[in-house]
Amino acid sequence: EVQLVESGGGLVQPGGSLKLSCAASGFTFSGSAMHWVRQPSGKGLEWVGRIRTKVNNFATAYAASVTDRFTISRDDSKNTTYLQIHSLKTEDTAVYYCTVGSTWGQGTLVTVSS
Amino acid sequence: QSALTQPPSASGSPGQSVTISCTGTSSDIGAYNYVSWYRQYPGKAPKLMINEVSKRPSGVPDRFSGSKSGNTASLTVSGLQAEDEAYFYCSAYAGNNLMVFGGGTKLTVL
Repeated sequence: EVQLVESGGGLVQPGGSLKLSCAASGFTFSGSAMHWVRQPSGKGLEWVGRIRTKVNNFATAYAASVTDRFTISRDDSKNTTYLQIHSLKTEDTAVYYCTVGSTWGQGTLVTVSS
Repeated sequence: QSALTQPPSASGSPGQSVTISCTGTSSDIGAYNYVSWYRQYPGKAPKLMINEVSKRPSGVPDRFSGSKSGNTASLTVSGLQAEDEAYFYCSAYAGNNLMVFGGGTKLTVL
């Protein structure tokens, strides 16, 4: 069974940093591009970015709204992808999902507040 | 990279059909056949219902169908059931390695 499990969310002060993790199982992780999507409470989905595979040089792409503060990485030895967020803003408060193909994780909540 | 445009709400009675539109531009929906539709229940993760404009993943009922004309994609739900009441989101490849979502449509089964 294909499964994604996000972790690392929590309460962070504005200006802080956070690193989210997404542990994958049930498929060939190293051969799959991984995406991150976020959703503020009561609002719609926003694509954050994606990371490709080793054969594609782990190429990353980001939404214009996050490109200077967000970094996506992966560790194929751990079947895990990461989303590092710097200089957190209150508007970054959202549930963050990782997704591959038709599978989504359960999400992890990031709350940015003083 | 602007969000795709969806109507905020749609509704229909049980057994009826309802169509939800998703309007983009010639740079996203109009340029590529990479349109997906997701269903989301409150508090739950989205579920892929349609990909590549009209392909249904395994397990998705054939009551769900997708199409595209020009810069607008559409999701049609036939034979509405109470369980179809949910939020629906479209997404599309926007070129330059970017993806974009629509604002979402709340489908109400009357």
